[in-house]
Amino acid sequence: NAGVTQTPKFQVLKTGQSMTLQCAQDMNHNSMYWYRQDPGMGLRLIYYSASEGTTDKGEVPNGYNVSRLNKREFSLRLESAAPSQTSVYFCASTPGGGGNTEAFFGQGTRLTVV
Amino acid sequence: QQQVKQSPQSLIVQKGGISIINCAYENTAFDYFPWYQQFPGKGPALLIAIRPDVSEKKEGRFTISFNKSAKQFSLHIMDSQPGDSATYFCAVRNTGGFKTIFGAGTRLFVKA
Repeated sequence: NAGVTQTPKFQVLKTGQSMTLQCAQDMNHNSMYWYRQDPGMGLRLIYYSASEGTTDKGEVPNGYNVSRLNKREFSLRLESAAPSQTSVYFCASTPGGGGNTEAFFGQGTRLTVV
Repeated sequence: QQQVKQSPQSLIVQKGGISIINCAYENTAFDYFPWYQQFPGKGPALLIAIRPDVSEKKEGRFTISFNKSAKQFSLHIMDSQPGDSATYFCAVRNTGGFKTIFGAGTRLFVKA
């Protein structure tokens, strides 16, 4: 019963490097999300995908791109990493929009940009 | 623009005591009010949630109190245990939408 799986769990990047964070869910959920968690800031939405084939900006999208590869997978790409992107990144999924919809989270990716 | 304000930032409670965490929101379109619990190194997980048509929901030692007119809701943890030590996030979700907006979090420590 995997739920939401994120890779990698830890990553150190140099400023200007690029990388892609991978996320996959096995719950047949329609909607997927990327959040970043910073101390004292809670969880802030970067991008989300309401359904396969659609993506939309969240609260803090600058410096990121996303791809909804299929219903299961939703990746987050940093094209040119900056120290301000040092954070813990969480992928989440929900069955769909609206109503009482519990979000299921992955274990997180701890990213450090030096 | 902070749509959800959570307090306190941190909380220390004696074992057996009551932990109370508060949240206030701005937008009356929200229709789902969950609380998430997060242990170190883990992702958040749903603890308990309430809809705006009820004023209180209880699940075991955890209770949500909801005040629609004041746009506030709170989490009460009765008989707090060291295993409850975690970070708690309140959240709101907008009607028919896809975005869950989280509070800044409260770090709870229950002393044995």
